[in-house]
This record gives sequence, structure tokens and C-alpha cells, in this order.
Amino acid sequence: QVQLQESGPGLVKPSETLSLTCTVSGASISSYYWSWIRQPAGMGLEYIGRMHTTGSTNYNPSLKSRVTMSINTSKNQFSLKLRSLTAADTAVYYCARDDYGDRSFDLWGRGTLVTVSS
Amino acid sequence: QAVVTQEPSLTVSPGGTVTLTCDSSTGAVTSGHYPYWFQQKPGQAPRTLIYDTTNKHSWTPARFSGSLLGGKAALTLSGAQPEDEAEYYCLLSYGGTRVFGGGTKLTVL
Repeated sequence: QVQLQESGPGLVKPSETLSLTCTVSGASISSYYWSWIRQPAGMGLEYIGRMHTTGSTNYNPSLKSRVTMSINTSKNQFSLKLRSLTAADTAVYYCARDDYGDRSFDLWGRGTLVTVSS
Repeated sequence: QAVVTQEPSLTVSPGGTVTLTCDSSTGAVTSGHYPYWFQQKPGQAPRTLIYDTTNKHSWTPARFSGSLLGGKAALTLSGAQPEDEAEYYCLLSYGGTRVFGGGTKLTVL
């Protein structure tokens, strides 16, 4: 059974950089796009962006200046860095497989809550 | 960036039929937007119901169907069940990026 697990700090200070990792187990990360999505409490979903194991990326234009994604195929992990945090970045962050056809959003992590506060 | 609009809330009777829609600020929604539909219940991650306008995953109940309707993407629920009460989100693709709709809270009552 394929599982995705987000990990990272639950609390980050304003102006700092958030680093999250999604570990994929039960399947290879290679040859797919993988994405990050976030959801502030009581609000809707926001697409952050995606990365392919070849290095190709697509970022939400509104976040692009603050986002970097990376992939470590040897560890079967992909990561998100979000810089210059504010309280508005407080949200549950999800990782998901974001490829094409029936490999699109078929796999999701459970999400990890990140709070930006001093 | 495009804005994707959904009905904020809808109510359907048990056994009834309801259609949720997904509109794009850039014009008519087409198959080229590869519309997705997700169901999310409180405290859970979203679950994909529909991809590429009409396609279902193996776990998608048969009572859900996706289509294009009047320039919008649409999710139709035929024969609503109490367990279908949830938030529903659409997602549209614009070239390299994707945009979620604001979500529709569906009540089965």
C-alpha cells in the first residue's frame, strides 16, 4: 500500500523559512509529478505547486517568489521550502501525487499543521 | 491568476440529485482545463472523485459523475446518501499551474 507522510516543524517564527518533507513509501517516487497543497483552518484549498523527478517545476504565481521544491529520489522524498513566513502561511500542508490521468491526485498525505507564530 | 468559483453551499434531500458547478474567470471551462473534483470531510485529507472532466477513480461511488455544462465543469450526485455530506472542491489547470475553487458545502437533509 502506497503511503505519503508529511513531516516538519509544527511551529515556525515569522520571517523564517518553513521546510517540509513528504516521504513516499510503497512505491517509487520516480517519473511522476508531486505537489504541495495547503489549507488554512476553516478555509479552502490552495495549490502551492508541483515538481517532477526530472526537476521540472510549476509554482503558484502568487507564491512563486517564496517557494522552492526539491526531490531526493534516493530517499523517495520530496520537499517544500517556503520563505519569509507570515501568519497567513499558517495552514495544514498536504503532499500529493500530481501527475496525469489516473495518477493525478490519487495519493495524498494526511497533512501536517504548520503554525507561524512568535 | 485565474479565479475559480463554486457555489458556497447547496442542500440535497436523501436520494435526490444535485449538480455542483465550477466556473473560471478566464472564460468557458473546457476539457483542456482537466477539471478535477475532490470530496473533503472534516479532519480528513481531500479525496479525488473525478479527474479529467469525467473520469472516476476506482473508489469513486457510481452516483457521482463529472461533465461540462454551460461553460462550467459540473459534478452531479444522483441518489444522495447521508455520507455524501461534505465539502467539495474543483480544481482547474491553467498551463503549468492549477487553481482550486473555493469549495461547496453540500448538506444532505
